[in-house]
Amino acid sequence: KAGVTQTPRYLIKTRGQQVTLSCSPISGHRSVSWYQQTPGQGLQFLFEYFSETQRNKGNFPGRFSGRQFSNSRSEMNVSTLELGDSALYLCASSLVSRLAGGIQETQYFGPGTRLLVL
Amino acid sequence: GESVGLHLPTLSVQEGDNSIINCAYSNSASDYFIWYKQESGKGPQFIIDIRSNMDKRQGQRVTVLLNKTVKHLSLQIAATQPGDSAVYFCAENRGTGGSYIPTFGRGTSLIVHP
Repeated sequence: KAGVTQTPRYLIKTRGQQVTLSCSPISGHRSVSWYQQTPGQGLQFLFEYFSETQRNKGNFPGRFSGRQFSNSRSEMNVSTLELGDSALYLCASSLVSRLAGGIQETQYFGPGTRLLVL
Repeated sequence: GESVGLHLPTLSVQEGDNSIINCAYSNSASDYFIWYKQESGKGPQFIIDIRSNMDKRQGQRVTVLLNKTVKHLSLQIAATQPGDSAVYFCAENRGTGGSYIPTFGRGTSLIVHP
């Protein structure tokens, strides 16, 4: 089974521009989450989509947005880029299992998109 | 390669030794914990998880211990191999809306010397 794929792998933008990143989840996975990883802040949760609806959201400004399509593929958009948006953006798809003890959610991460804002 | 932190704690071990990586979490409401491994240039990879109603869980060569009293989580890797060299970090998860919101630790860099 193919893993999570993200495109593009590398991207260079300038301040003020906007960017759209794409994520294709593992076939059959309906949940897609996005994360930002930087040396200073580590790995931080951006948002999660499930069945085309945003289910959870982290503490990021409104410049960060996303969406999910009917085939579970997801995009995230960052508008009015700032230098501090330079990061590795990771996408993860989830196979959610409901067990007797509660929800077990195993996430599978893609390789990420490395964004550099100049 | 990928760097997840300029000042990550580092654990250096010899091949064959046992490794213990520690993590302190902050939210007493967290009820699900996961350990991830991230190799250079790759996304994080799930290693093992544990629910808050457990204090120990074992996998293949790995054991996770959870101490809710002091909000501490540890990952033990038995017979560490060079291929285990990576950054390891824990995630605490708070259940909401049918899924989880994760908060990640900063990570520990494990270096295994052959």
